[in-house]
Amino acid sequence: QSALTQPASVSGSPGQSITISCTGTSSDVGAYNYVSWYQQHPGKAPKLMMYDVSNRPSGVSNRFSGSKSGNTASLTISGLQAEDEADYYCISYTSSGTLVFGTGTKVTVL
Amino acid sequence: QVQLQQSGPGLVKPSQTLSLTCAISGDSVSSNSAAWNWIRQSPSRGLEWLGRTYYRSKWYNDYAISVKSRITINPDTSKNQFSLQLNSVTPEDTAVYYCASGTAAAGIGYWGQGTLVTVSS
Repeated sequence: QSALTQPASVSGSPGQSITISCTGTSSDVGAYNYVSWYQQHPGKAPKLMMYDVSNRPSGVSNRFSGSKSGNTASLTISGLQAEDEADYYCISYTSSGTLVFGTGTKVTVL
Repeated sequence: QVQLQQSGPGLVKPSQTLSLTCAISGDSVSSNSAAWNWIRQSPSRGLEWLGRTYYRSKWYNDYAISVKSRITINPDTSKNQFSLQLNSVTPEDTAVYYCASGTAAAGIGYWGQGTLVTVSS
């Protein structure tokens, strides 16, 4: 099972919107709505930011939104803030009954 | 609130077995709605899901293809914990290992503190 493909880095200025893509195949992202997103600050464990493509857990800012089209899922951060600077990972369920992570994206707030 | 507390050695010799344990509080390892995962992270491989155990009237395990021949994840209902064993380790298995609670549908919402395991002689 190959890792899902994410851009290595995305950047934006405070207040702007950015979108992180997560591309898989018809056996994972394209087959199920079981895509979730995680934010990770240096030295910390990942934090769940989105599940089932577009559902936010309690406590996560509504500046975060998720979507999916075909084999690609996306996480959009609106009104970018300094605290959003972190690494972001997607994960998807697969037709083999396993989970597969994305390659990770470093978000930089300029 | 689920809390996960990891324990185990931080140094393992090549060809030996890596063993970690994850103690659960705030939930039951036998829950019919939870799944108990092991995930690792290294600079070269990023985040890598290794496998999970879960109970749905009986016990199930799923393992990543990359480690399937070397991995065992076991629940321990008497201690409300679960464990990871990874056999025949090499330096490429050096990573921070996390235990985590969650399912594909609900996301992985709870994580242990992480354990840096170094494979070296």
